[in-house]
Amino acid sequence: GQNIDQPTEMTATEGAIVQINCTYQTSGFNGLFWYQQHAGEAPTFLSYNVLDGLEEKGRFSSFLSRSKGYSYLLLKELQMKDSASYLCAVRDRGYGGATNKLIFGTGTLLAVQP
Amino acid sequence: GAVVSQHPSWVICKSGTSVKIECRSLDFQATTMFWYRQFPKQSLMLMATSNEGSKATYEQGVEKDKFLINHASLTLSTLTVTSAHPEDSSFYICSVKGRESYNEQFFGPGTRLTVL
Repeated sequence: GQNIDQPTEMTATEGAIVQINCTYQTSGFNGLFWYQQHAGEAPTFLSYNVLDGLEEKGRFSSFLSRSKGYSYLLLKELQMKDSASYLCAVRDRGYGGATNKLIFGTGTLLAVQP
Repeated sequence: GAVVSQHPSWVICKSGTSVKIECRSLDFQATTMFWYRQFPKQSLMLMATSNEGSKATYEQGVEKDKFLINHASLTLSTLTVTSAHPEDSSFYICSVKGRESYNEQFFGPGTRLTVL
C-alpha cells in the first residue's frame, strides 16, 4: 500500500529555522515533492528529490533518504508569509510504470509567530 | 512554469444539478491533466488522470459516471459533477503536465463547489 505521514501542525518563530519531516511507504517510488499551500489556494511547487541527499533552493532545502523512506523540508530565516500548509507528495510509478501519479500527505500547517 | 486557470473559481448549486468546471493551460501543452479534490483540512486526493484524446483513468472509489472528465485538447479539460449532492462540496483543483515537465505538475487556482 501507500502511506505518507507528516506532523499535522508546527509553530515556529520569525527568523528561526524549522524542519518538517515526512515519512512514506510506496511500492513504486519515483521522486518526492514538497508543495506550499496557502489557505484557499492551489499548491505551489517548492522542491523535488529523486536521489538521496540535500537539494538547496534559497531559504528552502529538501532532503531525501530512499532507504529510510524519509524526507524533510528545511525552512530558514522564517518570515510571516511562510505561514501555510506544506505538503509532501510522492510520485508512484503505478502498475507497469504507466501512471506516475502524485500521492499527497495530509500536510503540515506551519504557523510563524513574531 | 505553466499558467493554469480554472473557471469558475467558486460555484454554489442546488442538490441534483450538474456543474461543469473548466481547467485551461494558457501557455503550455498539457499532455496530461489531473483532477484532485480537497476537503477542509485534508490533503489533495487524486480523482482521475486524463491524457489528451483518451479516456480518463479514475482512482479507486471515484465514480466515473458521476464525475465526467473530458480532455478534448492540449489546453482544456473539463470536470462535470453530475447530480451534485452536499457531500460533493469540496475544493476541486486541476494540474497539468507536459512532455517537457517530467518533474513537475502545475496547479490551477482551484474551484470551490458548494452544493446546497
